[in-house]
Amino acid sequence: GENVEQHPSTLSVQEGDSAVIKCTYSDSASNYFPWYKQELGKRPQLIIDIRSNVGEKKDQRIAVTLNKTAKHFSLHITETQPEDSAVYFCAAESGGGADGLTFGKGTHLIIQP
Amino acid sequence: DTAVSQTPKYLVTQMGNDKSIKCEQNLGHDTMYWYKQDSKKFLKIMFSYNNKELIINETVPNRFSPKSPDKAHLNLHINSLELGDSAVYFCASSRGTGGWQETQYFGPGTRLLVL
Repeated sequence: GENVEQHPSTLSVQEGDSAVIKCTYSDSASNYFPWYKQELGKRPQLIIDIRSNVGEKKDQRIAVTLNKTAKHFSLHITETQPEDSAVYFCAAESGGGADGLTFGKGTHLIIQP
Repeated sequence: DTAVSQTPKYLVTQMGNDKSIKCEQNLGHDTMYWYKQDSKKFLKIMFSYNNKELIINETVPNRFSPKSPDKAHLNLHINSLELGDSAVYFCASSRGTGGWQETQYFGPGTRLLVL
């Protein structure tokens, strides 16, 4: 089955700086890679996703890159703000959704004022 | 903001009891899921169901069983609860029944505490 590794487990950055979170996956059949943000006590919420036919996707301050050959993908947040503080999860999925998402173990992002 | 809803929000019960968590989605989605988030925040798929097929993560004990009375609901039944079942359980749903992946939308979660 799929295995997703996520690093770092904790990331502290100064407000206004950039944050990068990296994930690797094991199943070459995986072709959908979403990123979820989870605030304390809340549900995971999708912030951006990328499919295997695309190498990069951007939405305002958030971008995701995918390297299928190396089987890794990354989340980039620029101009970080205090409200970006949360736990971020990467995930991978194959099988057209039938198998569900395999999540990384999460990154606790702390934005220092 | 109640596209995917779960009840109850909190569930405290004794070891050995049987309990159920309800999930409803009003998005018209075809596939529903259950995930377990443990104390270390690790999210793990338990089941996916799309009216045609139930896929079970092989690590899930058979004390857990999903029941779908209709397309909009996927309830989770747990028999003989154990201390290790304490976690937050999230329901999710997505459009489509296969092929191209669609976004999964999560419910608010049910925090289960087994004493």
